Parts: sequence; structure tokens; C-alpha cells
Amino acid sequence: GESVGLHLPTLSVQEGDNSIINCAYSNSASDYFIWYKQESGKGPQFIIDIRSNMDKRQGQRVTVLLNKTVKHLSLQIAATQPGDSAVYFCAENTHSGYSTLTFGKGTMLLVSP
Amino acid sequence: KAGVTQTPRYLIKTRGQQVTLSCSPISGHRSVSWYQQTPGQGLQFLFEYFSETQRNKGNFPGRFSGRQFSNSRSEMNVSTLELGDSALYLCASSLDRVKLYGYTFGSGTRLTVV
Repeated sequence: GESVGLHLPTLSVQEGDNSIINCAYSNSASDYFIWYKQESGKGPQFIIDIRSNMDKRQGQRVTVLLNKTVKHLSLQIAATQPGDSAVYFCAENTHSGYSTLTFGKGTMLLVSP
Repeated sequence: KAGVTQTPRYLIKTRGQQVTLSCSPISGHRSVSWYQQTPGQGLQFLFEYFSETQRNKGNFPGRFSGRQFSNSRSEMNVSTLELGDSALYLCASSLDRVKLYGYTFGSGTRLTVV
């Protein structure tokens, strides 16, 4: 499949480890944030979202933390599996009146069996 | 339920040519957004259409244009292609605003300009 990023930061973990992927966002006025997963040859897939009135949100095996003070998001993946290997992007909605997302550069997660 | 369909999946064009890419959103979705993805710049917003009207536009030259039809299908056109237009072009559909309804992305069209 096609590469989505040749020089992305890479996080390498062992299967079963917990993974933490970090993202700094750009606009203090952003009020909605999403994490996406992109596998080779596919479009981004929704993982989890969070609104600015929350600090933490949990899904199945995933948790997103939002720190508005330092404009920082993190995605925690519990018990990482080889199928989690992909590029992960954070995105922010900077214009609440529009459907426009500003994406971070992405982090490649590599999970070894 | 069918997902977002983008055609063609791959295209090779020559500098100076023009190209049209197509996106069929999920049935019932009226918002279609387009993004360009390159290794250097990442994912960048091109434009959004809602009910046949362009609702927002990113910072791209006028060579990039789009439209949406009454059935919500959308096309984007790039005229006078440049080498730097080589990218994965992604469309995303939604019922309306992304913060209310989220996006579903298609698999993209890989455009190579030679």
C-alpha cells in the first residue's frame, strides 16, 4: 500500500504494552478534537473524539486526554495489538460553524508480536 | 450501508493536464469535504460542500475547484497540473457539521503527476 508519511515520528512497542501517542494542537479556540487511525492504502478511520468541556474520554481500549492549558492531546491504547499498527492523527475543529479539521502531522505506531 | 466511494483509485497525469476526481458520500449525507494528503504537508483541507454550496475553502490556488450535485455526489477538479499536486486526495462525508456528526472518509484517489 501507499505510504502516508515517510518521515513521521515513530513509536515502537511490543504487543500487550500500553501505547501513548501525543499531539500538540494549534488553536486555543478549538473546541472539538478527534483521533484518527490510518492504515496503508486506506482513508483515516475515527477512533475517539473529545469536546473542550471534557478532560478525558474513554472508549474500548482507548482513552483520550485533553490539556487545554498547554494545548495538548494524548491517545492511550491499552494492550496494544499488531492490528493497531498504523499512522495516528489528531485533528481539531477550529471553526465550529464549519466542518473543517486541522490535522496534526501524525505518528506511526509499530507493534511487534 | 455503503461507505464513501472515491473514483478512480489511482491516476497518472502529465504536467499541464487537468483531472477530475469523484466522491460519492454515504446515502443521506449532505456534506462533502476534500483533503489533500502528502508526506511533506500532511492532511490539508481543500473545501467543503453542503447542499450544493461551497461552505468553506482552504488555502489552495484557484486551480483547485469543486462542485456538488443535487444527489450530494461531489467532484473536484485540478487544472494545469503541477508535479507538486501529486498526492492522495481524500473526501469525507457527514450529515452536517463534523463536530455534531463526525466524518467518514473514503479510501482516496492517488494522483501522480509526471
